[in-house]
Amino acid sequence: NAGVTQTPKFRVLKTGQSMTLLCAQDMNHEYMYWYRQDPGMGLRLIHYSVGEGTTAKGEVPDGYNVSRLKKQNFLLGLESAAPSQTSVYFCASGPLGTSGANEQFFGPGTRLTVL
Amino acid sequence: AQSVAQPEDQVNVAEGNPLTVKCTYSVSGNPYLFWYVQYPNRGLQFLLKYITGDNLVKGSYGFEAEFNKSQTSFHLKKPSALVSDSALYFCAVRDPFYGGATNKLIFGTGTLLAVQP
Repeated sequence: NAGVTQTPKFRVLKTGQSMTLLCAQDMNHEYMYWYRQDPGMGLRLIHYSVGEGTTAKGEVPDGYNVSRLKKQNFLLGLESAAPSQTSVYFCASGPLGTSGANEQFFGPGTRLTVL
Repeated sequence: AQSVAQPEDQVNVAEGNPLTVKCTYSVSGNPYLFWYVQYPNRGLQFLLKYITGDNLVKGSYGFEAEFNKSQTSFHLKKPSALVSDSALYFCAVRDPFYGGATNKLIFGTGTLLAVQP
């Protein structure tokens, strides 16, 4: 099993450009998450999904949109990139559970630079 | 507000010595606590978790963590550090606001562990 994969691994954008980050998981997980990691700030949740066709805002959703048309894929979109969105983006997935006791599985990350 | 604190940005330890990476939390209700490790240019990997039961939890790569309810702490420990343990360590707690319906986590800011040979 590949686990959680992310494409691309690196990307450089100019201010105002758009792009989509793709996350795929082959573990049949219900839950999927997008985080950004910035120095000294840990991981902050951007958006998440508790199932196919559903998405919700996390802690820092502004400037991002997401879609989960298929259970195994979770897309993160930047419509008009800004330098403040320079970051490392991680996707994660997790199995269904009502207790919150399950761990999340992370992808390798996408390093995005916005000039 | 619900939060997780890792008071040390960096911990330095000599190979073979015991190590401790500190974590304290502030959440309502019973905490579900996790430790993750991030090696350079990699995603986070799950190490261990505390849900209920024994306060000493054992995890991957010889790591363990001790849950202390009175001190609201969940410190990560290892009896003998290896150079290969050098990495960024994150403590996390289940977000209690959403209950268990989303498995959302609140992460600390991370502690860089440097093990010198």
